[in-house]
Amino acid sequence: EPEVTQTPSHQVTQMGQEVILRCVPISNHLYFYWYRQILGQKVEFLVSFYNNEISEKSEIFDDQFSVERPDGSNFTLKIRSTKLEDSAMYFCASSVLGYTGELFFGEGSRLTVL
Amino acid sequence: GIQVEQSPPDLILQEGANSTLRCNFSDSVNNLQWFHQNPWGQLINLFYIPSGTKQNGRLSATTVATERYSLLYISSSQTTDSGVYFCAVSTSGTYKYIFGTGTRLKVLA
Repeated sequence: EPEVTQTPSHQVTQMGQEVILRCVPISNHLYFYWYRQILGQKVEFLVSFYNNEISEKSEIFDDQFSVERPDGSNFTLKIRSTKLEDSAMYFCASSVLGYTGELFFGEGSRLTVL
Repeated sequence: GIQVEQSPPDLILQEGANSTLRCNFSDSVNNLQWFHQNPWGQLINLFYIPSGTKQNGRLSATTVATERYSLLYISSSQTTDSGVYFCAVSTSGTYKYIFGTGTRLKVLA
């Protein structure tokens, strides 16, 4: 069964360092998303991406965040200068359609900022 | 923006018991999904249910979009059902799902 894959599963970094989280969405899906979940809290929307541009972003997705689809399969989230409060689980998701489509999530990348 | 509230926030059951989890939303939605977040943190798709009723084994879900709520029924619960259950909704004109507050379920052997 097709699935969304994410790497790394866990990353530890020092405050101020740049981090890139990678995702391979399901191959026939057109919409891609990043969500995050701070430990013990609910899942929060960060950004959606379609046709090589951002469709929508939340207030959390400020200038330190960026997304890119560098080739035909990968979808990345870059955090330029990490802060302690960026420590969270980051989930990538994809869907065939936009707001009418079923969302499928990867297993998540846990980011720990020291 | 739309508010998505789930109840109860916490639930403890004995194995074999039945339960109903509720998801209320404050505005019209185009879509609704239920997810199970297992103890390892994975988000598992349970139902894609913008309206109507669906069943999958011991789980079933009903969404009444006109009344702005959805219910998830778990029958004959098992310890493997433990985890957090989230509903998530999307609205017309947006490209995102908004997650609810979650129900943390613990099933005791």
